[in-house]
Amino acid sequence: QKEVEQNSGPLSVPEGAIASLNCTYSDRGSQSFFWYRQYSGKSPELIMSIYSNGDKEDGRFTAQLNKASQYVSLLIRDSQPSDSATYLCAVFDNFNKFYFGSGTKLNVKP
Amino acid sequence: SAVISQKPSRDICQRGTSLTIQCQVDSQVTMMFWYRQQPGQSLTLIATANQGSEATYESGFVIDKFPISRPNLTFSTLTVSNMSPEDSSIYLCSVALSVLSYEQYFGPGTRLTVT
Repeated sequence: QKEVEQNSGPLSVPEGAIASLNCTYSDRGSQSFFWYRQYSGKSPELIMSIYSNGDKEDGRFTAQLNKASQYVSLLIRDSQPSDSATYLCAVFDNFNKFYFGSGTKLNVKP
Repeated sequence: SAVISQKPSRDICQRGTSLTIQCQVDSQVTMMFWYRQQPGQSLTLIATANQGSEATYESGFVIDKFPISRPNLTFSTLTVSNMSPEDSSIYLCSVALSVLSYEQYFGPGTRLTVT
């Protein structure tokens, strides 16, 4: 059974701080990794994708991938109350299937 | 990205009945998926909708309960058959636009309540 693990949280950070969200996956053959943001009552929204080891930056978001450790993370700099949501980690394997983690709830306190 | 619409956005149905959910995309896409998300839970893949052939179902989901059609590259339907209260959930369709990036985009979802 392939697994994607996330800490369910909630993760609370003050406004302006860096929020760090972590994800581990079990399938060493996975090649594509994604972070989604889901506001309560809404559908998931893609915010970052990463395919190779290292860091990928997009605005206030940085995704980090370490395939040797089977670890993906998302850093949110200068966190804002509007960043408060559940963040889902997703992995796409070599058999054209997506696996989602259970999500980490982030609370950014004003 | 893509513009994805779903109908209906929500419905309340009686047990034993069936509901068909429609998913429309504004461009041709290779991969379409159907997910279920129960309250407070993550996403569970029901099936991959294949254009011109039978859908590929995940473990725990069967065609008799969740028949899927995909007549073309922009449209798919999911039917929830012989509903029970346990089928109450949010049903989401999603698409992957590119077989190179596999970035997946979700429709707004259908909130189903079975009484």
